[in-house]
Amino acid sequence: EAGVAQSPRYKIIEKRQSVAFWCNPISGHATLYWYQQILGQGPKLLIQFQNNGVVDDSQLPKDRFSAERLKGVDSTLKIQPAKLEDSAVYLCASSPPGSYEQYFGPGTRLTVT
Amino acid sequence: DQQVKQNSPSLSVQEGRISILNCDYTNSMFDYFLWYKKYPAEGPTFLISISSIKDKNEDGRFTVFLNKSAKHLSLHIVPSQPGDSAVYFCAGYLTGNQFYFGTGTSLTVIP
Repeated sequence: EAGVAQSPRYKIIEKRQSVAFWCNPISGHATLYWYQQILGQGPKLLIQFQNNGVVDDSQLPKDRFSAERLKGVDSTLKIQPAKLEDSAVYLCASSPPGSYEQYFGPGTRLTVT
Repeated sequence: DQQVKQNSPSLSVQEGRISILNCDYTNSMFDYFLWYKKYPAEGPTFLISISSIKDKNEDGRFTVFLNKSAKHLSLHIVPSQPGDSAVYFCAGYLTGNQFYFGTGTSLTVIP
């Protein structure tokens, strides 16, 4: 079974630029999560999708962050414009229906200079 | 709002001995607690979980203990192996809500 795929793995941008991350969850997993993990901290939930609907986006900075999950499969997370404090690893995870167990992708390490 | 706390950023243990990683929480409504293991440049991987109605769950070398009155859980690894060296995160889960992660404990198992 293929795991959660994410791309790119690394990205360096200047502040005020835009960036997009892509996630392909495990086949059949209805729930998809985007987390932000700042160095030295635990993952913090940004947004949770159930199929292609948003379940929770209360911690997503909506003035600069956006996410979509078209057709309930792949998802993209966008930052526009980026700030220095957005430097972090962005993790995507998915869960099968009816389960609380999350399967994480390798993450995208974003550096904003 | 740090609902899950791991107060020890690092831990070193000799190979073959017991590793004990600790986690405290403030939200008594958590339904499950989970432990994840993370190697560098990889995403966290699920290790073991425990329901809030249990006080112990065991899976091979890994055992999680839950003390609800103290709002404390711990992960025991016996015996510790060098391959166990990683960052361990505990997380609390509210059904229908979300996961709350601790800040992680870096375990080093010395051969």
